[in-house]
Amino acid sequence: DVVMTQSPLSLPVTLGQPASISCSSSQRLVYNDGKTYLNWFQQRPGQSPRRLIYEVSKRDSGVPDRFSGSGSDTDFTLKISRVEAEDVGVYYCMQGTHWPRTFGQGTKVEIK
Amino acid sequence: QVQLVESGGGVVQPGGSLRLSCAASGFTFSNYPMPWIRQAPGKGLEWVAIISYHGANEYYADSVKGRFTISRDNSKNTLYLEMNSLRPEDTAVYYCARDWNLDYWGQGTLVTVSS
Repeated sequence: DVVMTQSPLSLPVTLGQPASISCSSSQRLVYNDGKTYLNWFQQRPGQSPRRLIYEVSKRDSGVPDRFSGSGSDTDFTLKISRVEAEDVGVYYCMQGTHWPRTFGQGTKVEIK
Repeated sequence: QVQLVESGGGVVQPGGSLRLSCAASGFTFSNYPMPWIRQAPGKGLEWVAIISYHGANEYYADSVKGRFTISRDNSKNTLYLEMNSLRPEDTAVYYCARDWNLDYWGQGTLVTVSS
């Protein structure tokens, strides 16, 4: 199985400051169609997960533009340009290229 | 708008069975593959199974293979997960979602396996 490794696992951030989460995969995530299926999800406390980013860098509808995704091959990053209170929660990366699909361990974002 | 509503969770003894349902609305259900994802209490996310849009193909995580069966009824816009030989480690919130890359999620239903 493809192992997804996130860092850090805990991220205390000051409101208005940037935040960055890394995700690395044990295999390349480029699929046969040339696309890279790397997704980012946000899970606020007590809520279901919500997809923020798909195919490395494409934002889902309604996702604020302070969220951005980047990366290629095996190394990916989710950035929040200015953290707001509503961004508190756990963030997961997930590879959508290989079966079984696998998630990272999750990164808990909290306000300092 | 897309809605996914899970039901059927509850408390069951080890070795028991349970069937979960996921009612879908707001999109053409028969056009999408549909997965189940689970989350043990305080833990991360784990894929359970996925079924193709027409129901002919199913894929399972090794942890549930041979015990769980995913199915769908496109005439009822409903996804199912039949869970047999349940173990304490199957205790989790079970979510249904849409498509291989999980663009929409339900609110989840809690399954507790305990004696």
